[in-house]
Amino acid sequence: GIQVEQSPPDLILQEGANSTLRCNFSDSVNNLQWFHQNPWGQLINLFYIPSGTKQNGRLSATTVATERYSLLYISSSQTTDSGVYFCAVLNYLEGSRLTFGEGTQLTVNP
Amino acid sequence: DTEVTQTPKHLVMGMTNKKSLKCEQHMGHRAMYWYKQKAKKPPELMFVYSYEKLSINESVPSRFSPECPNSSLLNLHLHALQPEDSALYLCASSLTQRSTEKLFFGSGTQLSVL
Repeated sequence: GIQVEQSPPDLILQEGANSTLRCNFSDSVNNLQWFHQNPWGQLINLFYIPSGTKQNGRLSATTVATERYSLLYISSSQTTDSGVYFCAVLNYLEGSRLTFGEGTQLTVNP
Repeated sequence: DTEVTQTPKHLVMGMTNKKSLKCEQHMGHRAMYWYKQKAKKPPELMFVYSYEKLSINESVPSRFSPECPNSSLLNLHLHALQPEDSALYLCASSLTQRSTEKLFFGSGTQLSVL
């Protein structure tokens, strides 16, 4: 099946810093989503982005499907950005099962 | 309303108990999912319902029994669980089970099996 690798596994920032999280995948995809899981367990869908670039406030994401990677940018980080960021992908030939990466644990210190 | 609601938020049960987890969405989504998540790991798919019919069972032990009474509700019935079943159980929904849909998660039920 499709493999998903996220980097870095852990990231510690000071409030106000910028960061880039990466998601590499091993095969073509027709669905790629970024999620944020807060410390209380809630998984929030940040972006549905199988290709191209999207922005939502301080967050933006870019997927280069031909090169099989996606990037999540967080600018001017805040303590509320802390948590785990998951990338999840789906190749339509594998049905409806999203494959999740292992996540990036982000800690933003005040 | 872009919310998936799960109850209860926390559950402690013994190995001989029977309990149920509940999930509700009012977004008109026709695909609903149960995931299991262990600490510091990504969610793992357990079941998928599409148009109220079970379409995917990821070889989950029979002590977990899903039910979809209608298009808005999803239950997970638990019986004779083991301590290793302790985990965060997440419900999710999407418009359909098509491969291009966006997934929305509930806040989960933290289950402890004693």
